Amino acid sequence: DIQMTQSPSSLSASVGDRVSITCQASHDISNNVNWFQQKPGRAPKLLIYDASDLEAGVPSRFRGGGSGTDFTFTISSLRSEDAATYYCQQYHTLPFTFGQGTRLEIK
Amino acid sequence: QVQLQESGPGLVKPSETLSLTCTVSGDSMSGYYWSWIRQTPGKGLEWIGYIHYTGSTNYNPSLKSRVAISVDASKKQFSLRLTSVIAADTAVYYCARVRGKFVFDYWGQGTLVTVSS
Repeated sequence: DIQMTQSPSSLSASVGDRVSITCQASHDISNNVNWFQQKPGRAPKLLIYDASDLEAGVPSRFRGGGSGTDFTFTISSLRSEDAATYYCQQYHTLPFTFGQGTRLEIK
Repeated sequence: QVQLQESGPGLVKPSETLSLTCTVSGDSMSGYYWSWIRQTPGKGLEWIGYIHYTGSTNYNPSLKSRVAISVDASKKQFSLRLTSVIAADTAVYYCARVRGKFVFDYWGQGTLVTVSS
């Protein structure tokens, strides 16, 4: 299975900050990465697909990038409602696998 | 607006079969894959498998011997069966729509299934 290693596992930032999360794949997965946001008690919500394409209706402060084995997810100007856990997921090779998540706290 | 809703028992005894159904509203099932994912505090998010609306399937090898996904497009439903469950199968189970190149775009709210006697 392809392992997706996210870092950091948690972070704390202030409103207006720029925050970045990285996801490293154990093998080359081209650009086959989705990024999700999950709030407590809710289902994951798709934010980014194909590593850098913004899902319809998602604010433009969310961005994704990378290819091969290294991927980055960035929130350009943090808002209070962005407090959540964020996950990367690869769909290059079956079985699809997820990162372990990054918990984002707003100071 | 596409919506998915999981339904099924919240408690299953060890060694028995877990059965869940996902009902789709707001769109046809045609042209998409339909997937099951589960989440536990220990293992995080785990992809279980998917079914194409035509009926072809693919499963996670870690569960392949115990899992089956079926579809009834006329009822706009797809289902999960997981046999011989153990405590480690306790999880929140999600159903999701998968479009295009495996983009998981719509999810159900999730349902907690506990395996316990």
